[in-house]
Amino acid sequence: NAGVTQTPKFQVLKTGQSMTLQCAQDMNHEYMSWYRQDPGMGLRLIHYSVGAGITDQGEVPNGYNVSRSTTEDFPLRLLSAAPSQTSVYFCASSRGVDTQYFGPGTRLTVL
Amino acid sequence: DAKTTQPNSMESNEEEPVHLPCNHSTISGTDYIHWYRQLPSQGPEYVIHGLTSNVNNRMASLAIAEDRKSSTLILHRATLRDAAVYYCILILPGNTGKLIFGQGTTLQVKP
Repeated sequence: NAGVTQTPKFQVLKTGQSMTLQCAQDMNHEYMSWYRQDPGMGLRLIHYSVGAGITDQGEVPNGYNVSRSTTEDFPLRLLSAAPSQTSVYFCASSRGVDTQYFGPGTRLTVL
Repeated sequence: DAKTTQPNSMESNEEEPVHLPCNHSTISGTDYIHWYRQLPSQGPEYVIHGLTSNVNNRMASLAIAEDRKSSTLILHRATLRDAAVYYCILILPGNTGKLIFGQGTTLQVKP
């Protein structure tokens, strides 16, 4: 199993540009989540999904969209990038209350 | 969501045991207690979890107070590789995928 994969690893955007961060898992997990981590801070939940077709907002959802058309994929879309969205983004997946598996992260810089 | 309180930082000597405390006085009867750690420049990784009874695995032990209002993560012999930020997180079944991270405890291990 590849586990949780995220692409790209690094990205630089200009203010106002849009992009999609990709997240995929091959463990058939129903739960998937997106977090952001600002320097020196803990992770904050952006959006999460409890299964294909079902998503909900986390603590900091503004400026981000998600969809879950398949069990495996959970892309995060930045609609109009802002410097405040400069952060490291982590995707995670799990089955039930068991282990949460995290991806390696995407380091995003918005100029 | 029930909250957790952890010390900001702790120090340990290599090959000595480490006890990382976590207070969760508002825990509900069905909250699972999870511990994750984040090594520098990596995504969080699962350490251990439990509900009521103490738990052991190859990485650590989890001691849960009888009233469940606190827990302690025990690393039996700290190594330099154990230097990380340790997060104590409560997970409610049905809210899986919705981890709320606090600031965590930064563990420094001295050779």
